[in-house]
Amino acid sequence: GAGVSQSPSNKVTEKGKDVELRCDPISGHTALYWYRQSLGQGLEFLIYFQGNSAPDKSGLPSDRFSAERTGGSVSTLTIQRTQQEDSAVYLCASSLGDPRVNEKLFFGSGTQLSVL
Amino acid sequence: DQQVKQNSPSLSVQEGRISILNCDYTNSMFDYFLWYKKYPAEGPTFLISISSIKDKNEDGRFTVFLNKSAKHLSLHIVPSQPGDSAVYFCAATKSSSNTGKLIFGQGTTLQVKP
Repeated sequence: GAGVSQSPSNKVTEKGKDVELRCDPISGHTALYWYRQSLGQGLEFLIYFQGNSAPDKSGLPSDRFSAERTGGSVSTLTIQRTQQEDSAVYLCASSLGDPRVNEKLFFGSGTQLSVL
Repeated sequence: DQQVKQNSPSLSVQEGRISILNCDYTNSMFDYFLWYKKYPAEGPTFLISISSIKDKNEDGRFTVFLNKSAKHLSLHIVPSQPGDSAVYFCAATKSSSNTGKLIFGQGTTLQVKP
């Protein structure tokens, strides 16, 4: 079965431009997470979607960041007016979304974003 | 506020020897801990986990130890193999949150020399 798929794998953009990053979770997984890893840093939580519930946006660093999850499957992370400090690897993960158990997160390979 | 800390950015060991990776946490509400392994250009993959009701969990060459009073956990790899060379992330969560949201440490880069 396919794992978590992210596109593009690499994105180079100019400061001030908007970018969209896409994530296709594992089929049947209802929970979806976005993390980012800046150079030399750990994985920083950004946003979490679970089924039809309101997303947990507590990790989004500014209002330039937003994310959607359409139809409970594919998710898009949008960064508006990109800044150089947005350069990082953006990782998407999914899980079955069963709140009764501690679940493993399955990660995609990430999108390397470089803002020049 | 870094709630999960991996204070050693890198570790180098000889093949066949033991690798010990350490992790500290500050939030006493965390009750489930995980280790993920990451190769370059790949996403992190789950390695092993431990619940706070245990102090040890073993899976083949990998053992995780949890010291709740010290808010410390460690990952032991015995014997270490060159294929274990990767970045290892410690993560923690609160089961009661029902979100599965993981808080990660900064990672430790392990190099196993042949």
